[in-house]
Amino acid sequence: QLQLQESGPGLVKPSETLSLTCTVSGGSISSSSYYWGWIRQPPGKGLEFIGSIYYSGTTYYNPSLKSRVTISVDTSKNQFSLKLSSVTAADTAVYYCARRDIVVENLDVWGKGTTVTVSS
Amino acid sequence: QSALTQPPSASGSPGQSVTISCTGTISDVGGYNYVSWYQQHPGKAPKLIIYEVSKRPSGVPDRFSGSKSGNTASLTVSGLQAEDEADFYCSSYAGNNNFVFGPGTKVTVL
Repeated sequence: QLQLQESGPGLVKPSETLSLTCTVSGGSISSSSYYWGWIRQPPGKGLEFIGSIYYSGTTYYNPSLKSRVTISVDTSKNQFSLKLSSVTAADTAVYYCARRDIVVENLDVWGKGTTVTVSS
Repeated sequence: QSALTQPPSASGSPGQSVTISCTGTISDVGGYNYVSWYQQHPGKAPKLIIYEVSKRPSGVPDRFSGSKSGNTASLTVSGLQAEDEADFYCSSYAGNNNFVFGPGTKVTVL
């Protein structure tokens, strides 16, 4: 059974870079049918798609965050990562990683999420 | 501000049905048959319950059904049960490898 697990610091200072990693277990990140994505949810608010990456390294980012986001993949570790630069309090959220099925265009497997707070 | 529009809340008694609408544009909901619905219980990750407008993943009860007309998609929960009380989010593929979500609808079982 495929599982995704987010990890990384729970507290980041304003203007610094948020870094998270998603570890995929129970399946290969190198599958041709899937991209791997990041989604976030500010406290009490809705979901926002951040971006996704293919195992080859091809990336796509939400235009509203594109200037600050970098998503990378490490197939040897079955992991992919998120970096969000110049963070502010508005970036405080639960961050989820998820598998994106590119055949039917859905997010079918999600991690449990990790809370990141931006505060000095 | 979310790209898709949903009502903030909906409610029904056990056994009744509730329908949630999700309105977008021709650039997302109206332009693709890639509308998904996610159920999220408090403190939990979203769970896919409907994809490609009306298909259900394995294990999702057939009480959940989806449809679409023009730029508006809908999710119907029939035979409401206590465990259906949750937030429901619609999502649509919006081209260029981007997804948009609605703001969520809180379903209350009275």
